[in-house]
Amino acid sequence: LAKTTQPISMDSYEGQEVNITCSHNNIATNDYITWYQQFPSQGPRFIIQGYKTKVTNEVASLFIPADRKSSTLSLPRVSLSDTAVYYCLVVLGSFQKLVFGTGTRLLVSP
Amino acid sequence: EAGVAQSPRYKIIEKRQSVAFWCNPISGHATLYWYQQILGQGPKLLIQFQNNGVVDDSQLPKDRFSAERLKGVDSTLKIQPAKLEDSAVYLCASSGIKGERNGELFFGEGSRLTVL
Repeated sequence: LAKTTQPISMDSYEGQEVNITCSHNNIATNDYITWYQQFPSQGPRFIIQGYKTKVTNEVASLFIPADRKSSTLSLPRVSLSDTAVYYCLVVLGSFQKLVFGTGTRLLVSP
Repeated sequence: EAGVAQSPRYKIIEKRQSVAFWCNPISGHATLYWYQQILGQGPKLLIQFQNNGVVDDSQLPKDRFSAERLKGVDSTLKIQPAKLEDSAVYLCASSGIKGERNGELFFGEGSRLTVL
C-alpha cells in the first residue's frame, strides 16, 4: 500500500479556506484517495474520495493532479467545529484495505 | 439507518485479565474492520473480515488477540491476557460500498480500554 505523508498540524481562523496537502508517491493505478475527519472521542468520518482531477461535495473539495502523487483537501470557510484531525488514505481499488497515518491536526481559532 | 454499534463504551481491567468487545455493523455490510487507536495516533488496522472470512489479520497480535465474525454479521474482539500497552480505543467499522466510494467506512463510537 502507498504510504501517505501530511503535515502534523495546521492552524487557521474562522472563515478562511484551509488546504491540507498529502503526498502519496507510490500510489498504484487502482488506488483511490480518501480523506477522513475525526473529532475527539469519536470514530473517523468519511469526507471525500477521488481518483483524479477534482471532486466536490457539500463538505469539501479534493484536488488530484495528473500524476496522482499528491492530493489536496480543501475546506471552504472553516468554522470552529472543523477543528479535528484529518487523515489522508490511499485505498486499494478492490481490496478496501484502509491504513491510517498520523493525520493532520487542524485547529480553527475565532 | 442504524449505525455501527459497539459495546461496552468503557472498560477498565487489570493487566493479565481478559476483555471482549462486541460490534454490530450496519445491516447488509459485508466488510467489517477492527482498529486499535492509541492516544495521539491514527487508527491501526487489526483485522478485516469479508462476510465471515478473514481478509487481513497481519497486524493482529495473535498470541493475545482473537476476533471472530459469526454468521458474517456481528463480531467479537477478545484480548487475553491484557497488557498495559493494550490501553486504547478499539474501533469497529463496516462497509458495503463498492466502486467510487469504496473507501467509505462507517465507524462506531469505539470501546475505550484502560489496562491498569
